[in-house]
Amino acid sequence: AQSVTQLDSQVPVFEEAPVELRCNYSSSVSVYLFWYVQYPNQGLQLLLKYLSGSTLVESINGFEAEFNKSQTSFHLRKPSVHISDTAEYFCAVSVTGGGNKLTFGTGTQLKVEL
Amino acid sequence: GAGVSQSPRYKVTKRGQDVALRCDPISGHVSLYWYRQALGQGPEFLTYFNYEAQQDKSGLPNDRFSAERPEGSISTLTIQRTEQRDSAMYRCASSPGDRVYNEQFFGPGTRLTVL
Repeated sequence: AQSVTQLDSQVPVFEEAPVELRCNYSSSVSVYLFWYVQYPNQGLQLLLKYLSGSTLVESINGFEAEFNKSQTSFHLRKPSVHISDTAEYFCAVSVTGGGNKLTFGTGTQLKVEL
Repeated sequence: GAGVSQSPRYKVTKRGQDVALRCDPISGHVSLYWYRQALGQGPEFLTYFNYEAQQDKSGLPNDRFSAERPEGSISTLTIQRTEQRDSAMYRCASSPGDRVYNEQFFGPGTRLTVL
């Protein structure tokens, strides 16, 4: 079985500062990795994903994540955050042949302050 | 276009009552997933369907939980004889298919509170 660990439950950061949200996974088989975002009072939205190919993946709003197989990590980064990035971020994994059912971490609340 | 909708958005019930939670997926989406999210936790897989066929129900916690999707569109998650530990956010997602490259689109969730 696979599992996901998000060690930071809350990350406060000032606007325009860089941020990193950590995600580590455990699995005995190859995994596919996702970051989902949940804005207040909204459903989960896919932010970015790693399926294969380049280990660095980017979102349209400036976030990026790098798949590191040796460290079993998929940390999410943004060089300069905005107030509108305040949300909860979930890391998730899926495995081949699993019907794409997602295993989520416990989430990280990103709070961007002025 | 219309996204995934869920109803009711909030449900308060008394212990021992049955509840039915509805999910209306994006039109044409083959796959439909149910997840449960307890407070302070990430979503946890319950079950999923391709069309009307239930493909995996390994995440259903016990036999009080059941789900159906009789016409391959709308799905209902039923919890019988509710208990306080069933209180959670129940999330539905739909997807064009069940391959890893198929994005899951989530609904707003149903917040269930069992008194």
